[in-house]
Amino acid sequence: EAGVAQSPRYKIIEKRQSVAFWCNPISGHATLYWYQQILGQGPKLLIQFQNNGVVDDSQLPKDRFSAERLKGVDSTLKIQPAKLEDSAVYLCASSSSSASTDTQYFGPGTRLTVL
Amino acid sequence: AQSVTQPDIHITVSEGASLELRCNYSYGATPYLFWYVQSPGQGLQLLLKYFSGDTLVQGIKGFEAEFKRSQSSFNLRKPSVHWSDAAEYFCAVGAHGGATNKLIFGTGTLLAVQP
Repeated sequence: EAGVAQSPRYKIIEKRQSVAFWCNPISGHATLYWYQQILGQGPKLLIQFQNNGVVDDSQLPKDRFSAERLKGVDSTLKIQPAKLEDSAVYLCASSSSSASTDTQYFGPGTRLTVL
Repeated sequence: AQSVTQPDIHITVSEGASLELRCNYSYGATPYLFWYVQSPGQGLQLLLKYFSGDTLVQGIKGFEAEFKRSQSSFNLRKPSVHWSDAAEYFCAVGAHGGATNKLIFGTGTLLAVQP
């Protein structure tokens, strides 16, 4: 079974530029998550999708971050404009449903450096 | 507020020695608890999880964890560490009962293994 795919794996941009990350979850998984992992910290949820609907985006900085999952499969996370403090690893995860007992499977992440 | 504390930022053990990684949580209801491992350049991999029942949980790679409600702890153990266990370990509590089942992570413990 293929795992969660993410691209790119690394990205370096200047502040105030825009950037987009892509995630393809495990086939058939209805729930998709984006987490932000700042160096020295644990991952923090940015947004959770159930199919193509948003379940939780309470910690997403909506003035600069946006995410979509238009067809309920793959997803894109965008930052515009980027700030220095956005430097982090962006992890995508998926689970078969939104049940709390379902395992969340994580992709390898995209490491973003903002200069 | 829901939170997870991992008191040890960095631990070094000798190969073959036993290991215990500490985790304390704060959660209003019965917690769903998880341990994940993150190797360099890789995503998070689930080691084990606890929802209910037997408080001693067995996981992959020879790991186990014990849930102690009286101490609000969920410590991870392994009787004999292998060099390949060197990685960062994250404890997490899973939100449940509401709209989201997000994971709330601790700050992680970095494990180094000496030959």
